[in-house]
Amino acid sequence: KNEVEQSPQNLTAQEGEFITINCSYSVGISALHWLQQHPGGGIVSLFMLSSGKKKHGRLIATINIQEKHSSLHITASHPRDSAVYICAVGLPGGSNYKLTFGKGTLLTVNP
Amino acid sequence: NAGVMQNPRHLVRRRGQEARLRCSPMKGHSHVYWYRQLPEEGLKFMVYLQKENIIDESGMPKERFSAEFPKEGPSILRIQQVVRGDSAAYFCASSSGTGSWMNTEAFFGQGTRLTVV
Repeated sequence: KNEVEQSPQNLTAQEGEFITINCSYSVGISALHWLQQHPGGGIVSLFMLSSGKKKHGRLIATINIQEKHSSLHITASHPRDSAVYICAVGLPGGSNYKLTFGKGTLLTVNP
Repeated sequence: NAGVMQNPRHLVRRRGQEARLRCSPMKGHSHVYWYRQLPEEGLKFMVYLQKENIIDESGMPKERFSAEFPKEGPSILRIQQVVRGDSAAYFCASSSGTGSWMNTEAFFGQGTRLTVV
């Protein structure tokens, strides 16, 4: 069984700050996903990583396979970034949709 | 091109009633997945369906829960004789194939929040 732990659980920042959200997992994985859940519930897939680093706009995701750790960074944060950020992992040989999800990190960015 | 549509957004049921949750996948998607998010918990996989077929129901509770995805119309997650422990957010996702998950091309709906009173 793979456990996915996210930290912090809650994060409050001022607009413009650099944000880091962490995700650790306990066993080997095939892929790691970062998702965003906005107030009102809609979930959007941000990244899928199996190694290295990916960047979309102000969002950067990194993964260290040896340390079983991933980080999601947000540069120049904005109030519209306020959401729950969810880390999810897939197991090698497992089905792509059968992910183990973390409990999420609630980010609030104040103007 | 509308996204994944779930309805209702909020559903209140008394203990013992039936709950029906609907999911219309994105246009062109024939694969549907249901997940449950219990309070203070992460999402958990329930069931994966293609048109008229249940492909993987390994995450479904053995009793009272069923799912279908008919040839015409939305996918339905049905919970019979609801209990308070069924209170949760139920999310549906859709894709054009299981490989879409590796390309961030599986899309979620906004969820149905079920409250059992």
